[in-house]
Amino acid sequence: AQKVTQAQTEISVVEKEDVTLDCVYETRDTTYYLFWYKQPPSGELVFLIRRNSFDEQNEISGRYSWNFQKSTSSFNFTITASQVVDSAVYFCALSEAGAGGTSYGKLTFGQGTILTVHP
Amino acid sequence: NAGVTQTPKFQVLKTGQSMTLQCAQDMNHEYMSWYRQDPGMGLRLIHYSVGAGITDQGEVPNGYNVSRSTTEDFPLRLLSAAPSQTSVYFCASSYSVRTGAREQYFGPGTRLTVT
Repeated sequence: AQKVTQAQTEISVVEKEDVTLDCVYETRDTTYYLFWYKQPPSGELVFLIRRNSFDEQNEISGRYSWNFQKSTSSFNFTITASQVVDSAVYFCALSEAGAGGTSYGKLTFGQGTILTVHP
Repeated sequence: NAGVTQTPKFQVLKTGQSMTLQCAQDMNHEYMSWYRQDPGMGLRLIHYSVGAGITDQGEVPNGYNVSRSTTEDFPLRLLSAAPSQTSVYFCASSYSVRTGAREQYFGPGTRLTVT
């Protein structure tokens, strides 16, 4: 069975600090997808990134970067020069390909990491 | 496009009452799903559908029913509400399942309290 672990329940930083959110996953599939979602205080879920199991290239988008390492089953998320607007709950999620590809959409979420950025 | 819409936004039920949470999407997505979010547990999949007329159970299906008569709508029915079903419910949809994984688009959520 697939599993996602976000060991950091809460992180508190001061504005402009860099912060890394950890995500470790378990799966028996060779084809799978990893996601990060942001849930700001308003409650909606905002998609940040998708990464497939064949693509281990790191990705950078502005102040956000993601480090995917299959060897350690990790998909960590770094925010550089954090801002107060980054305060949110961040979820890592996994979707396995499964037989016939019909389980692509079934996401398994981690418990979430609450990030608080203080001014 | 309105994206994924959910109604109601808030609901209070008494134990034993039944109700339907509505979910609709206007993006012609094949895949739709329902999750519940509880503190410290992330989101857990209740039911999902890979197309009209096809539904299946997720991780926590007990006490809930779904049906998918159209591509656009995917209602979630609580048969006999229990306090353990107090939660925030999210509906999600994504594009073609068979052409590869796509990010799921989530609705704004329904906060349900069962007393």
